Amino acid sequence: DQQVKQNSPSLSVQEGRISILNCDYTNSMFDYFLWYKKYPAEGPTFLISISSIKDKNEDGRFTVFLNKSAKHLSLHIVPSQPGDSAVYFCAASDPYGGATNKLIFGTGTLLAVQP
Amino acid sequence: ETGVTQSPTHLIKTRGQQVTLRCSSQSGHNTVSWYQQALGQGPQFIFQYYREEENGRGNFPPRFSGLQFPNYSSELNVNALELDDSALYLCASSPDVQETQYFGPGTRLLVL
Repeated sequence: DQQVKQNSPSLSVQEGRISILNCDYTNSMFDYFLWYKKYPAEGPTFLISISSIKDKNEDGRFTVFLNKSAKHLSLHIVPSQPGDSAVYFCAASDPYGGATNKLIFGTGTLLAVQP
Repeated sequence: ETGVTQSPTHLIKTRGQQVTLRCSSQSGHNTVSWYQQALGQGPQFIFQYYREEENGRGNFPPRFSGLQFPNYSSELNVNALELDDSALYLCASSPDVQETQYFGPGTRLLVL
């Protein structure tokens, strides 16, 4: 059963426009979320995170929004650049892990930014 | 500062064989986590090591085992390889258990 879902396998955006990547989760106990970016032949690179005590976190061109009532988060990239083209993974930190920091990942969204 | 490194980059094995994958954690990091990423899927948690002790395990059979060494580098061992073990194996290190995990480039394993 997929606890973290990214329902859009791919997204195409024009350079300079906004990219919005979406993620839904099923477990209301999840309290910490992360976004990773992955280029081919490389490991995932940490982008930005958000704790459930916030509804927004911003870092440069990247902003993550969290809607706890809808169990939904989104990553906004403004403005989008061709170098942003990659697979984006949403992840949640499993609170039932106890002392373990176990990340549960979605299946990823392939973002293509067209010049 | 050197990031997380993994070796080898690619590996081909046959069913029933055993494999060892290696990970060097980032300097100053005492926690290593291993993930398996099958084609078209997100990474799945295998287990985590903290200061040389296993610190949690995902839904993987016992033929998946690991070690962490005093320098905090780590190994993932898989015995009796099956075709479904073909995947990208990712190692991630973090400064401490609850800190952000930073990933290596992965080892791509193909089981024939």
